Amino acid sequence: KNQVEQSPQSLIILEGKNCTLQCNYTVSPFSNLRWYKQDTGRGPVSLTIMTFSENTKSNGRYTATLDADTKQSSLHITASQLSDSASYICVVIGSGNTGKLIFGQGTTLQVKP
Amino acid sequence: EPEVTQTPSHQVTQMGQEVILRCVPISNHLYFYWYRQILGQKVEFLVSFYNNEISEKSEIFDDQFSVERPDGSNFTLKIRSTKLEDSAMYFCASSESRVGTDTQYFGPGTRLTVL
Repeated sequence: KNQVEQSPQSLIILEGKNCTLQCNYTVSPFSNLRWYKQDTGRGPVSLTIMTFSENTKSNGRYTATLDADTKQSSLHITASQLSDSASYICVVIGSGNTGKLIFGQGTTLQVKP
Repeated sequence: EPEVTQTPSHQVTQMGQEVILRCVPISNHLYFYWYRQILGQKVEFLVSFYNNEISEKSEIFDDQFSVERPDGSNFTLKIRSTKLEDSAMYFCASSESRVGTDTQYFGPGTRLTVL
């Protein structure tokens, strides 16, 4: 069964610190992996998109990595800010180009002053 | 910056009633999607739509659900006879294409509460 699992479920860090979120997936065949940020009560917003041939992609303070062989991805947040408090969701698209996104359960990040 | 809009932001209905959730995708986008998120759970794919046809639907999207693009701008999700378990946040999304690397832009969601 196509699944996306994330860890940790939740995380609390101090403002200015770095953190890394993990994602494992079993979706096959695989097209690409995305990281989304979802603020409470809002729709998800795309942070990064990586195809199977890409190992890393950055978007400002967000850096995503992908190991397609081990089916693992990580999202590293540098110099966290209070506004980074949100749910971070790993999303995978299988091949076939129907656009169907398969979501992980998300990691809830809380940044404290 | 263009964005996907959804109305209403919150809908309360009685079990068994019909509801229509409305979405206005980004104007030059051709592919449209509905997702739902039950409180505390993952976002789940419901249906994708292109060229006035359903491209793919999940097992959740049974005969109680339907989608329509009634005009050039709106994209609607209808639930014919709501059940308690339909209570969730419903997100509309759109993309220019369905190429795997194309971004899907999500609306703010409609919170549906079935009593």
